[in-house]
Amino acid sequence: KAGVTQTPRYLIKTRGQQVTLSCSPISGHRSVSWYQQTPGQGLQFLFEYFSETQRNKGNFPGRFSGRQFSNSRSEMNVSTLELGDSALYLCASSFGGASGYNEQFFGPGTRLTVL
Amino acid sequence: AQSVTQPDIHITVSEGASLELRCNYSYGATPYLFWYVQSPGQGLQLLLKYFSGDTLVQGIKGFEAEFKRSQSSFNLRKPSVHWSDAAEYFCAVGARSGNTGKLIFGQGTTLQVKP
Repeated sequence: KAGVTQTPRYLIKTRGQQVTLSCSPISGHRSVSWYQQTPGQGLQFLFEYFSETQRNKGNFPGRFSGRQFSNSRSEMNVSTLELGDSALYLCASSFGGASGYNEQFFGPGTRLTVL
Repeated sequence: AQSVTQPDIHITVSEGASLELRCNYSYGATPYLFWYVQSPGQGLQLLLKYFSGDTLVQGIKGFEAEFKRSQSSFNLRKPSVHWSDAAEYFCAVGARSGNTGKLIFGQGTTLQVKP
């Protein structure tokens, strides 16, 4: 069974630009969650999508957005990039039931550098 | 507020020595509890999880963790560390219902193994 894939793996952008990151979940998984990992703030939850709807949202500004497609693939977008957006962006997929245990499987991440 | 604390940012142990990584959490009710490991340039791999039952849980790679409700702790242990265990370890909590796609992570503990 293929794992969670994220593209691209590395990205360099300049301040003010926008960026789109992609995540393909494990086959059969309907939930995709996104996390930002930085040395200063650690791992922080961005948002979760389930069946094409945003189900949960973390404490990030509106410049961070996402969506999910009917095949459960998800994209996240960051507009008007700032230096502080440099981070490893991880996505995780799970079956996504509303209760009970849903193990999250993580992808390798996309390393975004903002210059 | 919900939070996870890993008091030790960095730990160094000798190969073959025992290991204990500490984790304390603050949560409204008993959450699901997880330990993840991250090697450089990699995503997160689940080591073990607790959601009910026996408070001593076994995981992969010879790791175990003990849930202590009275102390709100979920410490990770390994009786004999191998050089390949050098990595960053994250404790995380997740909701039992509702926000099941959101994990709250501790700041992580970097484990260095001396030969």
